[in-house]
Formats: sequence, C-alpha cells, structure tokens
Amino acid sequence: KNEVEQSPQNLTAQEGEFITINCSYSVGISALHWLQQHPGGGIVSLFMLSSGKKKHGRLIATINIQEKHSSLHITASHPRDSAVYICAVNPRGSQGNLIFGKGTKLSVKP
Amino acid sequence: DAGVTQSPTHLIKTRGQQVTLRCSPKSGHDTVSWYQQALGQGPQFIFQYYEEEERQRGNFPDRFSGHQFPNYSSELNVNALLLGDSALYLCASSSLPQLFGYTFGSGTRLTVV
Repeated sequence: KNEVEQSPQNLTAQEGEFITINCSYSVGISALHWLQQHPGGGIVSLFMLSSGKKKHGRLIATINIQEKHSSLHITASHPRDSAVYICAVNPRGSQGNLIFGKGTKLSVKP
Repeated sequence: DAGVTQSPTHLIKTRGQQVTLRCSPKSGHDTVSWYQQALGQGPQFIFQYYEEEERQRGNFPDRFSGHQFPNYSSELNVNALLLGDSALYLCASSSLPQLFGYTFGSGTRLTVV
C-alpha cells in the first residue's frame, strides 16, 4: 500500500463545476503539499499545509492532521485547470524528502 | 528571478551508457533534491544535496550518483543505463528548513533505447 493515496485517479468535469480531490496518508508528517503538473512535465507548487485551510484564488486546500487526510477544492472550474494534481508529504523526522501520491488527472470540458 | 533550470530537456541514450543531468536551483535556495517519475506514476525520491554533500537518499542503486557545486547547482549521474531508467527526472530546490516549500524544474525526459 502506498504511503500517500489519492482519489479519484481520473476526473472529468464540466466548466463551472466544483471539484474535490482527496489525499490520505499513513505516515506522520511535518507538512503536506499540493502540486500541479502540466503535460510538459513541470511541477508548480500550489500549497504547503501543516494545519487548517489555505485559499488562493479559486483553489482551497484543507488538512485534518488527526484523520491524516487532505482535500484540494477548485471552485468554478475552467478548462485551463486541466492538469495532474499531486499530493505529497514531508515525513516527520525526514531530512526533507517528499513522498508523492500518483496524482489525479483532471480534465475540465468547456 | 529565475526558477529552477534543468538541462537538457530531452535526452536519448543507449542501454549501458552513462548520462549526466544538470540542475540550477532557484536564487536563494541552497538545497537540491532529485526525483524520478515513471510514466503514470508519482515522482520517487532519489537523493538530496545540501552543502555539497548527499544528505539523504531514497531506494535507488549506486548507479545513481550526484554532486552539488559551491554555487548550489547539482548534477545527477546515472551509469550503466537500463531500459527501466527511462523516465522524467525532476529537480526541486528549497532552502532548509524548507519553511517555504519547493520550487520544481520542468524536468529532463530521458529515454533509454
């Protein structure tokens, strides 16, 4: 079993829909990251969380440390949001490496 | 302010050859981590360099080695290439103690034939 699990693996939405991507992890962590990867391969960091909730534009990330669960929400989705969204964690006590989930491929149709 | 720069962007090598990939970190960052991403998978941690030393290593064989230079740039070397080494290799820079997250490069796509 992977230490970081994401669901769903694939998600297709209509423009304007509210989207939720979930991430569960099995290790103690010092931080959790939500990342966006476009087809070219480059990764953009969206959020780094250690507790609570963060919001940036139409993106909202939440984390529940007790339940070892995080969600990424996209409000009013747009075709330009189409990408792979990856959850990654810094294991507590590690020297800084990240453990990644396999990603959620999001496709937003106009 | 330049982000993380990786070179080359694409590379084709023959099985058994050796390859060197390069990474220049974001200005102000002193730590470089390397990841391997196979098609359809999440990235896997290879190793991390800080102060010109390998600080932590993932579950990769000794064929994978690296180096960090005084200007914080880094190289990833892979010897005796296998077909299974074909992947996207990502570099991420940060500044310990990583309070502000990571900046990723666009990656080097390595194909071993």
